[in-house]
Amino acid sequence: AQSVTQPDIHITVSEGASLELRCNYSYGATPYLFWYVQSPGQGLQLLLKYFSGDTLVQGIKGFEAEFKRSQSSFNLRKPSVHWSDAAEYFCAVTGGFKTIFGAGTRLFVKA
Amino acid sequence: NAGVTQTPKFRVLKTGQSMTLLCAQDMNHEYMYWYRQDPGMGLRLIHYSVGEGTTAKGEVPDGYNVSRLKKQNFLLGLESAAPSQTSVYFCASYSTSGTTYEQYFGPGTRLTVT
Repeated sequence: AQSVTQPDIHITVSEGASLELRCNYSYGATPYLFWYVQSPGQGLQLLLKYFSGDTLVQGIKGFEAEFKRSQSSFNLRKPSVHWSDAAEYFCAVTGGFKTIFGAGTRLFVKA
Repeated sequence: NAGVTQTPKFRVLKTGQSMTLLCAQDMNHEYMYWYRQDPGMGLRLIHYSVGEGTTAKGEVPDGYNVSRLKKQNFLLGLESAAPSQTSVYFCASYSTSGTTYEQYFGPGTRLTVT
């Protein structure tokens, strides 16, 4: 069965520091993988997605993610975090028309 | 192009009351979904629809009903609300004509059941 695990419930980083949010998935075939961001009181916004090809994908707002099949991971990274990046981040996997979401990682940014 | 819209944005119900949440999309998408979001649990699929007139159960369907009478609308009903249904509800849509498998989300409805 499909599943998505985000091991970190919350993470705190200093503004300007680098960020890595972890995501591990379980899926029988090649997955379609997504990262979404949700600001407080808002809906979900797509940051980036992976379907095939280059395993390092670039997204909006300076985010990138790397697909590692051997580790069943799709970690999200940003080299320098801005205060406006404080939000909740969701990893998701799709096998066709149904999507499974991780529980989310809340990012706090300190000045 | 409004995308996916949800009505209402907020609602407070008393236990046992009923209500309907409306989701509308103007992108001609075939698939539509209702999720609920609870702290620490991500988004869980309640019901979904693969086309007009068809619906199916998701992960947490109990206590909810849905209807898709028109392609652009997907209604979520609570017949007898319970405090356990206090949540934020998101609607999403998706098109099979694209290749991105990206779901487009509405802004959410915050429901409180007292």
